[in-house]
Amino acid sequence: AQKVTQAQTEISVVEKEDVTLDCVYETRDTTYYLFWYKQPPSGELVFLIRRNSFDEQNEISGRYSWNFQKSTSSFNFTITASQVVDSAVYFCALSEATAGAGSYQLTFGKGTKLSVIP
Amino acid sequence: DAGITQSPRHKVTETGTPVTLRCHQTENHRYMYWYRQDPGHGLRLIHYSYGVKDTDKGEVSDGYSVSRSKTEDFLLTLESATSSQTSVYFCAISETSAYEQYFGPGTRLTVT
Repeated sequence: AQKVTQAQTEISVVEKEDVTLDCVYETRDTTYYLFWYKQPPSGELVFLIRRNSFDEQNEISGRYSWNFQKSTSSFNFTITASQVVDSAVYFCALSEATAGAGSYQLTFGKGTKLSVIP
Repeated sequence: DAGITQSPRHKVTETGTPVTLRCHQTENHRYMYWYRQDPGHGLRLIHYSYGVKDTDKGEVSDGYSVSRSKTEDFLLTLESATSSQTSVYFCAISETSAYEQYFGPGTRLTVT
């Protein structure tokens, strides 16, 4: 079973529409971290946000907002008033402890490709 | 932006040849990682390092080896490249293993 599921493979919206990207995760750990990354057409991976499992407060940063709900194991990402520059592949990721060396490993979802049409 | 460079940025090689990709950081971060990105698979961890000369395997380590002789450099070697190793390879760094990783620009490797 996938640890991070991004069910939406591709989404298209018209500029200025709001769009929500879904992320569902699976873990048995009580301490874990969730992330969103953006990969624009140029190919680089850009870190957007980190949330830890003990903090369920929603976060807003400009047009971006994130909704973390432990009850549904979801960490959804909303872009308000989308712009063409938001066109990218967005990855959700989960960091949980591994058995060895007390370290964490990051597991990525397969990504959601967002196209914003002018 | 985190100071991470990868070299080469593009490489075409033939099946059976050895290939080494280099990742260099200027952030003095303890952790370094190698991922590959393939359509339909997202990013998958190949190997990671938690200190100089300390490395461990990731999800897709078969056919790859790594070395880290200095904090700033993490090398990924394909001993005998195969067509299935055609991919985009990303290096990443992090201060702690739990927190966010910062990625290099990627290396596009084609094995013919």
